[in-house]
Amino acid sequence: QAVLTQPSSLSASPGASASLTCTLRSGINVGPYRIYWYQQKPGSPPQYLLRYKSDSDKQQGSGVPSRFSGSKDASANAGILLISGLQSEDEADYYCLIWHSSAWVFGGGTKLTVL
Amino acid sequence: EVQLVESGGGLVQPGESLRLSCAASGFTFSNYWMSWVRQAPGKGLEWVGNIKEDGGEKYYVDSVKGRFTISRDNAKNSLYMQMNSLRAEDTAVYFCASSDLSDTSAPIGWGQGTLVTVSS
Repeated sequence: QAVLTQPSSLSASPGASASLTCTLRSGINVGPYRIYWYQQKPGSPPQYLLRYKSDSDKQQGSGVPSRFSGSKDASANAGILLISGLQSEDEADYYCLIWHSSAWVFGGGTKLTVL
Repeated sequence: EVQLVESGGGLVQPGESLRLSCAASGFTFSNYWMSWVRQAPGKGLEWVGNIKEDGGEKYYVDSVKGRFTISRDNAKNSLYMQMNSLRAEDTAVYFCASSDLSDTSAPIGWGQGTLVTVSS
């Protein structure tokens, strides 16, 4: 079982909100982890969006709009990237990342379609 | 503004070696961890390894341990990765990334990538 699991795809309408999840493997508690989020559009390198551990330990990437925000769902053992007011330009692949067992580990990515 | 420019990619045969370079500018290179991240064609991101500011600590993903070596030259603002015993599954775009934040080694700023193809 992978360390981080992300849904392979998600669709949402313009103006709506999208909640992208990053679920940690059973036995790995999400609580202590900083979860990093990246956006990647076709043909471009990833762009760092933000990181979230708690409301007192979070950081927004430079120039990243506030409609991108992070949170956690402890009951689901997951990190969440919330994108509000969806725009067509938000259509992209999104990846989560954590530091685990002396290595950075990416989730498999979620392809977000805005239609 | 962080600028990272990778070079050294190309087509090699299985078992051969390749050395990637990454030229950094726009930030104080010697103050930050640096990483290599790869992406196989049509696949997701995979962190390959990283190196501490002074080169004193390095970490690698299990699949490249013993085959890849990351190094840096702070005087030249450059990052390198020596890749030996290359396999078909190493075929990917390789990105150089900097940790622009002082309290993490996570990849924050990214280069455009260089393509490595391992094929006979």
